[in-house]
Amino acid sequence: SYGLTQPPSVSVSPGQTASITCSGDKLGDKYVCWYQQTPGQSPVLVIYQDSKRPSGIPERFSGSNSGNTATLTISETQTMDEADYYCQAWDISAGGVFGGGTKLTVL
Amino acid sequence: EVQLVESGGGLVQPGRSLRVSCAASGFTFSNYWMSWVRQAPGKGLEWVANIKQDGGERYYVDSVKGRFTISRDNAKNLLYLQMNSLRVEDTAVYFCARVPSSSWYFEKWGQGTLVTVSS
Repeated sequence: SYGLTQPPSVSVSPGQTASITCSGDKLGDKYVCWYQQTPGQSPVLVIYQDSKRPSGIPERFSGSNSGNTATLTISETQTMDEADYYCQAWDISAGGVFGGGTKLTVL
Repeated sequence: EVQLVESGGGLVQPGRSLRVSCAASGFTFSNYWMSWVRQAPGKGLEWVANIKQDGGERYYVDSVKGRFTISRDNAKNLLYLQMNSLRVEDTAVYFCARVPSSSWYFEKWGQGTLVTVSS
């Protein structure tokens, strides 16, 4: 079945740029989205269709997808960005597929 | 304002059944595909099921096929997940989510309802 792989953790200093990757076979042929989840809260969509931002999501959040890797980039990272981030794609056989999640630490 | 409010979670023994519900408001429910996504304690997200606007198409993750049934009542703006033959590994917070037209992602989420399967 189709799988998406994310690094378990990423650390970044405040004000720096954080990059979180998501890899899967021919992922660039699919649309990828990203969710942010803080402890005890529901996930929030931050990027959809590879690089589009929903209304209300800061411009600091951007996305890209090519080849086998999608990337979520957070510029000028703030302490409020500390959260778990999940990538997600749709596979014709497996249905909705999530990556395992990446814990972003801002310190 | 779009609102999705889940209910019906609780403690249930293995092998038993439970139905969770999601009440939708703030949008035209019948215009959207809807989904259930779950999250086991301390774990990641897992898509469970999707249902088309009119209920005519339904899709499930392999691990719940034949045990879970997604359904909806467009007159009441309600989404359901009937869970039969529950297993310990079904223990999770169950979220309902709205799927935008012609896309396959989850744009709005409820707060979730916890289902615990334990003897």
